[in-house]
Amino acid sequence: KQEVTQIPAALSVPEGENLVLNCSFTDSAIYNLQWFRQDPGKGLTSLLLIQSSQREQTSGRLNASLDKSSGRSTLYIAASQPGDSATYLCAVRYVEYGNKLVFGAGTILRVKS
Amino acid sequence: EAGVAQSPRYKIIEKRQSVAFWCNPISGHATLYWYQQILGQGPKLLIQFQNNGVVDDSQLPKDRFSAERLKGVDSTLKIQPAKLEDSAVYLCASSSLQGRANIQYFGAGTRLSVL
Repeated sequence: KQEVTQIPAALSVPEGENLVLNCSFTDSAIYNLQWFRQDPGKGLTSLLLIQSSQREQTSGRLNASLDKSSGRSTLYIAASQPGDSATYLCAVRYVEYGNKLVFGAGTILRVKS
Repeated sequence: EAGVAQSPRYKIIEKRQSVAFWCNPISGHATLYWYQQILGQGPKLLIQFQNNGVVDDSQLPKDRFSAERLKGVDSTLKIQPAKLEDSAVYLCASSSLQGRANIQYFGAGTRLSVL
């Protein structure tokens, strides 16, 4: 059974700090990996999608990397702001499962002002 | 472009009662997904439709859960009878068949509390 694991489960940082969220997956045969943001009581918003052939993607203060050989991805958030407070979810589309996304349990981020 | 619409936003029922959720995907999206997200966990796929047909329902508890997608557009997910462990957020997502990325767009979800 293919899984996705996210570490840490929760993170609290002061405003302005750079931070890294980690995601690990169990098989290098993937189509892509996606990072989502989920605000309380809301649905999921896609932040970055990395295709299996790519090493990283950037959007504003966010940078996501992918290392298939080690089964890891990181989401780097630069100069964190209180508005970044949310749950961040990593999801992998394994080749074995077709279009199905396998999600990690998420990292709850709190940025203190 | 309108997003994925879900209703109701919240539902509270007693165990053994029935409940139904509705989803309207993004116009033109052939693929529709229902996910269950239990508090503290990531979403888990319950069922995937492509147009009218079911692609994957391997994790759908078929003794109590059912879903349909009539005319390949709107979809309903039903639970009958509900159990305490069904308390969760039910998310609907849709995606286009175009392109390799298969980006899924999510609705706001329906939060179900079973008492």
